[in-house]
Amino acid sequence: GDSVTQMEGPVTLSEEAFLTINCTYTATGYPSLFWYVQYPGEGLQLLLKATKADDKGSNKGFEATYRKETTSFHLEKGSVQVSDSAVYFCALSDRMDSSYKLIFGSGTRLLVRP
Amino acid sequence: DAGITQSPRYKITETGRQVTLMCHQTWSHSYMFWYRQDLGHGLRLIYYSAAADITDKGEVPDGYVVSRSKTENFPLTLESATRSQTSVYFCASTHGLVSTGELFFGEGSRLTVL
Repeated sequence: GDSVTQMEGPVTLSEEAFLTINCTYTATGYPSLFWYVQYPGEGLQLLLKATKADDKGSNKGFEATYRKETTSFHLEKGSVQVSDSAVYFCALSDRMDSSYKLIFGSGTRLLVRP
Repeated sequence: DAGITQSPRYKITETGRQVTLMCHQTWSHSYMFWYRQDLGHGLRLIYYSAAADITDKGEVPDGYVVSRSKTENFPLTLESATRSQTSVYFCASTHGLVSTGELFFGEGSRLTVL
């Protein structure tokens, strides 16, 4: 079945460092891809998405490009802030009967130090 | 308040007891979901519902029961709680196809089974 694999955390960076969180997927069809973020004590929020190959999703300085040839959707940010400390989940949409569901990766915790 | 709310936020119970986690959304979203979040597993889908009176199993449904008599409510019941059901449970909803990725999550219910 479809699946999502993320790099294991935690990822610890200093403020203003460059961030990459790797995400690869397996899917039989043409999924949409997403990054969700979970801040401490909160539920998940959609961070960005891409619905087809070569699309780039972006939000709050974060970017990810849908790479079909490498089945990847790596999350990047040029300069992280302490407030970016959170758990990041990569996800893909998968068709299930007549509707869709989201399949999540295991999450990557990011800790940004001042 | 508008949004999606879960209750209780924290619950401690004993093995064999019945527990119900409540989920309420004020957007009239047709789709609702229950996920559990465990270290190393990310989010796993327990049950989902496409509309009132329509529910279906997700990836890990064993030991859980759901109902959806009203569009806005989607309770999750553990009929006889086990220690392996200690987890954080998230309810989510969306109005349309999940392929858009716009799931809205509650803040979670942390359940401990002793």
